[in-house]
This record gives sequence, C-alpha cells and structure tokens, in this order.
Amino acid sequence: AQSVAQPEDQVNVAEGNPLTVKCTYSVSGNPYLFWYVQYPNRGLQFLLKYITGDNLVKGSYGFEAEFNKSQTSFHLKKPSALVSDSALYFCAVRTGTSYGKLTFGQGTILTVHP
Amino acid sequence: NAGVTQTPKFQVLKTGQSMTLQCAQDMNHNSMYWYRQDPGMGLRLIYYSASEGTTDKGEVPNGYNVSRLNKREFSLRLESAAPSQTSVYFCASIAGGVTKNIQYFGAGTRLSVL
Repeated sequence: AQSVAQPEDQVNVAEGNPLTVKCTYSVSGNPYLFWYVQYPNRGLQFLLKYITGDNLVKGSYGFEAEFNKSQTSFHLKKPSALVSDSALYFCAVRTGTSYGKLTFGQGTILTVHP
Repeated sequence: NAGVTQTPKFQVLKTGQSMTLQCAQDMNHNSMYWYRQDPGMGLRLIYYSASEGTTDKGEVPNGYNVSRLNKREFSLRLESAAPSQTSVYFCASIAGGVTKNIQYFGAGTRLSVL
C-alpha cells in the first residue's frame, strides 16, 4: 500500500525568508508525486509534479520541490515566502497502475508572517 | 472556464436523511473522483470512475453510492446520512494527454449531519 507523510502540521515563516514543507512517501514501484495547495473555502489547486527526469521540479507561484529517492522525500520549497503563500499544502502520490488515484498526506498549514 | 462544478456548496441534513451531491466537468476528462476532507486526515478517496460506465470503491466507500451518469457527471449519494459523514466533499477529474496525472478539483460541498 502506498502512503504519504507530512510530518509538520504547521510551518511558520517570516515574509522574505525561505520556506520548506516536508513530505515523505512509501510506494512499491516508481512514484508519481504531487503538491497541491488549498486556500480557504476553495478546492485544491495543482502546484507541481514529479514523474521522471530532473530531481528538482519547478512549479507555479515560484515553488519548487526536490525528489530524493534514497530518502523517499519530496519537500516543497520556495526561496522567498510571501504572505499570500499562506494556505494548506498537500503532498500526494500515485503509482502507474492506479487509474489516477491519489493518496494524500494529512496536510501542512503554512503561515507566512509580515 | 467552469472546470469542475459541484452543487450544492453547503447542506445541513438530519440523521437518516438522504441526499445526492452533484459534480460536473466540462473538460472532457475520462476519470472522475469523490474525496472527503476531514481535519488532520487529508483527503480520502470514496469512489472513483476510471471511465464512463465504470465505478469502483476507494478507501472509504461505506455509506455512499455513486453514479457516473455520462462522461460529464459523477454524483455521490448518501442514502441514510450519519453524523460521521459530516465533512467537506470534493469532486475531481483528471486530465489526459501531456498533462495527464493532474487532478482538477471542484470548490467542495460542506455537509453537516445533525
């Protein structure tokens, strides 16, 4: 069975500082990894994905994520946080044979302070 | 660009009442999904439809039924609502082609069962 863990329920950073939201995964086979963001009272929005290729993936709104196979991690990063980045972030994983079914982590609340 | 549309946005039910949550997508996607979101638990898959005419159980199907009415519409029915079904429900559909694996989400239905 595949699973995803986001070890931090909440991350607080100051505006302008770098941010990291952590994600580790467990799958059999090659993972397809995703980050989604949810703003209050909205549905989830796709940020970025790793399928294959370069371990550093760039996505929307200046976010990037680094795939580390040996550590089974896929941490989300941004060099300089904005107050508007404050939201709920979800890491998700699927495998190639799962008809697109995603397994989500429990979510991390990111708060960026002015 | 409507994307994925869910109705209603809010609903309050009494225990034992039934209701159907509606979902429609206008992106010609083959696969559609129903998730529930509960605090600290991320999103959990209830049912999915890999293609028109097929439906399958996800992680938490008990107490729910689904209908893939046509390629556009995928409804979720609660036959006898229970307080444990108080949650936020999200419908999603998946894009094919070069953007495959990305799920697009509706804005959600907030359901309270008293």
